[in-house]
Amino acid sequence: KNEVEQSPQNLTAQEGEFITINCSYSVGISALHWLQQHPGGGIVSLFMLSSGKKKHGRLIATINIQEKHSSLHITASHPRDSAVYICAAHSQGGSEKLVFGKGTKLTVNP
Amino acid sequence: EPEVTQTPSHQVTQMGQEVILRCVPISNHLYFYWYRQILGQKVEFLVSFYNNEISEKSEIFDDQFSVERPDGSNFTLKIRSTKLEDSAMYFCASSEAGYEQYFGPGTRLTVT
Repeated sequence: KNEVEQSPQNLTAQEGEFITINCSYSVGISALHWLQQHPGGGIVSLFMLSSGKKKHGRLIATINIQEKHSSLHITASHPRDSAVYICAAHSQGGSEKLVFGKGTKLTVNP
Repeated sequence: EPEVTQTPSHQVTQMGQEVILRCVPISNHLYFYWYRQILGQKVEFLVSFYNNEISEKSEIFDDQFSVERPDGSNFTLKIRSTKLEDSAMYFCASSEAGYEQYFGPGTRLTVT
């Protein structure tokens, strides 16, 4: 059974700070998603990655398959980045289902 | 940009009633999913659907639940006899090739 753990659970930052959210998983995976959940509850997919690094604007996601670890970085954070960030993993073996972490609640203060 | 839509945004129902949650996936997607999130908890997988049949389901997805693609656009989740513990946010997602998934805005189900 794949367990997905995130840290920290809560994160408060000042506008402009560099943010890192971590995700680790217990079994081999085929791909990992980073998702953003807004206060109203909607979920937006930020990245899907299976190796290396991806960048979109101020967001960077990295994954280390050997260490079973992924990180989401936000550069020059802004109050509009305040949300819950969730990592979710596809297990190896062709399973389509996602196993979710509990999420990291990020608050960026002006 | 194409998006997944869900209706209704909020559904209130009495215990024991049947509810149908509706989703319109992105039009060229072939894989469809339902997830739920009980308030304050992590998102959980319910079921995946491909080629007009269930491809995978979780232990949560018991006989009370069913899914259907009644036409070329809608994907529905039916709960036959709702219980208080079914109160949650239900998310539909779709995928073109079975990996990158796009989520709908969710339906908040409240069972009283």
